[in-house]
Amino acid sequence: GAVVSQHPSRVICKSGTSVKIECRSLDFQATTMFWYRQFPKQSLMLMATSNEGSKATYEQGVEKDKFLINHASLTLSTLTVTSAHPEDSSFYICSAALAGGSDTQYFGPGTRLTVL
Amino acid sequence: DAKTTQPPSMDCAEGRAANLPCNHSTISGNEYVYWYRQIHSQGPQYIIHGLKNNETNEMASLIITEDRKSSTLILPHATLRDTAVYYCIVRVPRYNNNDMRFGAGTRLTVKP
Repeated sequence: GAVVSQHPSRVICKSGTSVKIECRSLDFQATTMFWYRQFPKQSLMLMATSNEGSKATYEQGVEKDKFLINHASLTLSTLTVTSAHPEDSSFYICSAALAGGSDTQYFGPGTRLTVL
Repeated sequence: DAKTTQPPSMDCAEGRAANLPCNHSTISGNEYVYWYRQIHSQGPQYIIHGLKNNETNEMASLIITEDRKSSTLILPHATLRDTAVYYCIVRVPRYNNNDMRFGAGTRLTVKP
């Protein structure tokens, strides 16, 4: 149980275009999901917290108008990178929490974004 | 959430036990210790977590010292597929605000 999927796994786009990444909790409901970004040889950095039915909470330095987050249902959150530029190329990872005493968080497999 | 300190890298021979240490000297009473690992180009994988008692599952064992200021993740029989970056995270579980803050982790290399 506790499987999180992401789609697509890899995407290449031209500079200036927008890219949508989906994150789904397959066998549990998640009122909260998280989006991380990871640059090569670095650790994961939290970008934003996605709350079902309300606005996302962004970390300092993350542009909310550039990284649009929609958490439309208890099993789906989407991250849209708008007007992507080469510096947005990164590994984007989502996670969802399994409610309970320790609230263990489960991560998706990640999406590799390359902006040309 | 308390900060953690881990060695940047470790090697282990295939088939031997891998013991990965983590210091969390500022841990508070209600903070759990979580371990995740990240194999290259994949999302982090949950391994184990604990509060104060030692824990064991099919993947690993977690040994937490009595004062809770440090812990050790034990992979009893390391395989080449266990080569990954291992992250020790200390935090209070908060369902609606329970993001994981990742440090640099320990890069474990299992060698044949």
